[in-house]
Amino acid sequence: QVQLVQSGAEVKKPGASVKVSCKASGYIFTSNDVNWVRQATGQGLEWMGWMNPNSGNTGYAQKFHGRVTFTRNTSISTAYMELSSLRSEDTAIYYCARVGAPVAADYWGQGTLVTVSS
Amino acid sequence: QSALTQPASVSGSPGQSITISCTGTNSDVGAFNYVSWYQQHPGKAPKFMISEVSNRPSGISNRFSGSKSGNTASLTISGLQAEDEADYYCSSYTSSSTVVFGGGTKLTVL
Repeated sequence: QVQLVQSGAEVKKPGASVKVSCKASGYIFTSNDVNWVRQATGQGLEWMGWMNPNSGNTGYAQKFHGRVTFTRNTSISTAYMELSSLRSEDTAIYYCARVGAPVAADYWGQGTLVTVSS
Repeated sequence: QSALTQPASVSGSPGQSITISCTGTNSDVGAFNYVSWYQQHPGKAPKFMISEVSNRPSGISNRFSGSKSGNTASLTISGLQAEDEADYYCSSYTSSSTVVFGGGTKLTVL
């Protein structure tokens, strides 16, 4: 069965960077795009961007341009999201999700809580 | 890119039908048939419910249906059940090759 397992919670200071991992199993990792979505406490979903694990091509929401980087390691079927210059407003749960239907995320990771606090 | 507009909350009694709207622009909802819907229970990851406006993946009850007219997409849940109580989000592909979500709608089953 398809599973996306994310790394554990992180606490970071303002100005630092965080890197969240997302390990895929149950399907061919390079066959589907991966989206990253975040959700601040009590707030809605916010799309951050996508990555094609086969080519490494990426696309980022304008809001995060220059601060976020998506990478992957195909040998271990893992996608990564790195967000830099963290500020308190970046405190949120970060999700990875597989794109299994046209522009639709059919499987989601369990989420990774990133807390930014001095 | 502004978020798609959803009502903050809707409610219905068991057995009734409700509809959640998702209003965008002619640069997103109105331009593409790439509207998706997700269900999220408290403390859980979102769950994929509908793709391409009205396509239900296997395993999703036929009580859930989607449609679109112009710049507004809709999710209808018929035969409301207690377990349908959750937050619902729409999303759409945009002319900027990005994805935008709605603000979310809290469904209360009375």
